[in-house]
Amino acid sequence: AQTVTQSQPEMSVQEAETVTLSCTYDTSESNYYLFWYKQPPSRQMILVIRQEAYKQQNATENRFSVNFQKAAKSFSLKISDSQLGDTAMYFCAFVALSGYALNFGKGTSLLVTP
Amino acid sequence: GAVVSQHPSWVICKSGTSVKIECRSLDFQATTMFWYRQFPKQSLMLMATSNEGSKATYEQGVEKDKFLINHASLTLSTLTVTSAHPEDSSFYICSAHLNREETQYFGPGTRLLVL
Repeated sequence: AQTVTQSQPEMSVQEAETVTLSCTYDTSESNYYLFWYKQPPSRQMILVIRQEAYKQQNATENRFSVNFQKAAKSFSLKISDSQLGDTAMYFCAFVALSGYALNFGKGTSLLVTP
Repeated sequence: GAVVSQHPSWVICKSGTSVKIECRSLDFQATTMFWYRQFPKQSLMLMATSNEGSKATYEQGVEKDKFLINHASLTLSTLTVTSAHPEDSSFYICSAHLNREETQYFGPGTRLLVL
């Protein structure tokens, strides 16, 4: 079974600062997909970033970037220039085969303070 | 990004009644949709996988006769909570798989309160 671990239940960062959220996973598959989703207070799940395991280059989306370490099975999310609107629950997710259900971590609650 | 809608966003019903929740992919076709349940301050719990034109696959512990899923078209999946009880009160979220992006997009969720 694939498991996803987010070891930081809560984090806090000041506006304009940088914060890194950790995620590790366990799998015996060689190819898979990793995602970060955010869930703000509205509870709408929003895709933040996606990484395909066979791509060595780390994915980036504007202020969001990942540090994908395949050998270490680590997939951390870096948020640069944090904004108040980044306050949300962040979920790391894994799927071995496209089209199958996601395996979610327990989430990290991020609070961005003024 | 792709858009997924859910309707209704809020529903309050009496114990013993049935409630239908719709999940639509608005700008893409989805052969596979998923239904999740989320308790406060917890992660998403997969209930079932819905494939267009075939029976849904339910996760262990999810009663298929209680949570009826129908994926009648490539843009619509429905979840019907039959004979609802207060313990069914929860936040239900659907997602739709977009093949060309190999990514799931989520609906805004439905808050169900059973009195």
